[in-house]
Order: sequence, then structure tokens, then C-alpha cells
Amino acid sequence: DADVTQTPRNRITKTGKRIMLECSQTKGHDRMYWYRQDPGLGLRLIYYSFDVKDINKGEISDGYSVSRQAQAKFSLSLESAIPNQTALYFCATSDAAPGQGSTDTQYFGPGTRLTVL
Amino acid sequence: RKEVEQDPGPFNVPEGATVAFNCTYSNSASQSFFWYRQDCRKEPKLLMSVYSSGNEDGRFTAQLNRASQYISLLIRDSKLSDSATYLCVVNLNTDKLIFGTGTRLQVFP
Repeated sequence: DADVTQTPRNRITKTGKRIMLECSQTKGHDRMYWYRQDPGLGLRLIYYSFDVKDINKGEISDGYSVSRQAQAKFSLSLESAIPNQTALYFCATSDAAPGQGSTDTQYFGPGTRLTVL
Repeated sequence: RKEVEQDPGPFNVPEGATVAFNCTYSNSASQSFFWYRQDCRKEPKLLMSVYSSGNEDGRFTAQLNRASQYISLLIRDSKLSDSATYLCVVNLNTDKLIFGTGTRLQVFP
């Protein structure tokens, strides 16, 4: 079984709809991240969380919200989806801050391809 | 100026060739450096960290030049399975990684 899972894997929705993307991990990591990837722009950080009580905005948080329901679960919501939120969304986990601690690796889920019409 | 810049490619090389990718970063305070690999429509995965002294993992060699703020990845004896996008990643010793947009490699028979 995959260590980081995302649901749904694909979603097509309409402008104005509320969408939730879910991420679960079995790696026991404290740190979780949500990114979006667009052609030519690379991965951009939306939100990140270092534990259940800690939520931080990333580079492009406007239009998004998150919830850290448990150490293993981190969900991303689009309250009112718009077409420019069409992208590939990745959840990632790590067990230490990049550059610190025992590993610098972020482990990514398989991604959710979201299309907003 | 982008924080991390890479030549997007594509680099089209025959099997067995040696290919090198370069990456520059803008913030001299950057502390940690990585190469991730991303297959088409898949998630990024860590390929290797990049250390100041340079490091090698099989056919892959990564080097860091702090003075020039430059990172490189060398792939020797390219295989078809090396075809992917290679992401240069930098950390400023903060909580976040900065990803380059990636360099696409296509190895042909």
C-alpha cells in the first residue's frame, strides 16, 4: 500500500462548487504539505502543517483552506472553485524541516488532477 | 528573477550518452539542495541530495558551486528509463522547499 494517498485522483467540477481534496499518510510524519503544479510554473506551496495544531500559509493560499484532522490526515478545500484553480495537486509529508533533522526528503502522494469548468 | 531556474529542455539524447543539467538559485542563504525526479503524470521523488563536496550515486553525480550559486546533475550511460523531468530543489533553511520548473530528459534508442 502507498504511504501517502490522495482522493480523489481525478475530479471535474464547475465554477462556484466547493471541493475537498483529501490526503492520508501512514508514514507517521508530523509535517504535511499541499502543492499545486501548473505547466511552466513548477510546484508551488499552498499550505503546510507541522502538527495537528499548526497550520501555515504557503506561497499561494488565497482561495484555499486546509484542515489537519489528525496527524495522518490533511485536507485541502476550495470553497468556491474557479477555472484558474485547474491544476495537478500534490500532498507531501516529511519527518523534519528541510535542511534539518534526519532526512530532507518530502514524500509525495500520487496527485489529484482537478479541472474546474 | 525566479528563485530557482532550470533550462526546461527537452534534452533528447541517445542511450549511452552522458547528459548534464544545470540549475541556478538566487538566494545565497540557501542551505540544502536536491534533485527530484518526476515521471510524466506522476509524483516527484527524491533522486539525490547535493552536498558541497559533490556526491555520486551510481550513474548520477551531483555538484554544488556555492560561489556561483549553481547546481548540476550529470547522468552517465543514459538509459531509456532515465526519461523523466528532473527538478532542482532548494531550501533556505526555512520550513519550505523551492522547486524549479524542471528539465525534461528524453532518452531514445
